[in-house]
Amino acid sequence: RKEVEQDPGPFNVPEGATVAFNCTYSNSASQSFFWYRQDCRKEPKLLMSVYSSGNEDGRFTAQLNRASQYISLLIRDSKLSDSATYLCVVISNNQAGTALIFGKGTTLSVSS
Amino acid sequence: EAQVTQNPRYLITVTGKKLTVTCSQNMNHEYMSWYRQDPGLGLRQIYYSMNVEVTDKGDVPEGYKVSRKEKRNFPLILESPSPNQTSLYFCASRGNLNTEAFFGQGTRLTVV
Repeated sequence: RKEVEQDPGPFNVPEGATVAFNCTYSNSASQSFFWYRQDCRKEPKLLMSVYSSGNEDGRFTAQLNRASQYISLLIRDSKLSDSATYLCVVISNNQAGTALIFGKGTTLSVSS
Repeated sequence: EAQVTQNPRYLITVTGKKLTVTCSQNMNHEYMSWYRQDPGLGLRQIYYSMNVEVTDKGDVPEGYKVSRKEKRNFPLILESPSPNQTSLYFCASRGNLNTEAFFGQGTRLTVV
């Protein structure tokens, strides 16, 4: 089982749609969780941290389920500008120390 | 402005010609890392550093070297580049073990 797994998509949705991404992680001792956004050939940028209690930032909601070891990202009222790749990131202890483990990303395409 | 700066942004070189990609951060972060990103493989860690003069191998260290003589700088060295090192490279830094990473703008390297 890969350490962090995401559905690669692509998710093709119309403007205004609600879309949800899930991410699963294998290390139950993982400590911190994030969603990053990456535009084509640019650097990943932090979208939001994910807390156990769930957190919301405008149209974006992130949730963590430690028992099932998955993280979700919900985007409401999708905009054209939301088109990007969304990376799930987990901080885990492994043989290499405490490392950022990246999923391969989920691609979202929002069309008018 | 807090940032991670990589140079050069684009580089085309020939097999065997030594090159260095520089990375500098102005956030006084202890942790710095290098990643490469390839289609279908996601972000893979090459080397990381937990402090000055402390470096260690990531998942794909072969063919690369790093140094951390100062806290702010973490150069990536390719002593004898080969075509399979053609990739998009990112430098990242973070303040402590459980916080998010900040990325440089990336270096697109082509080895012919």
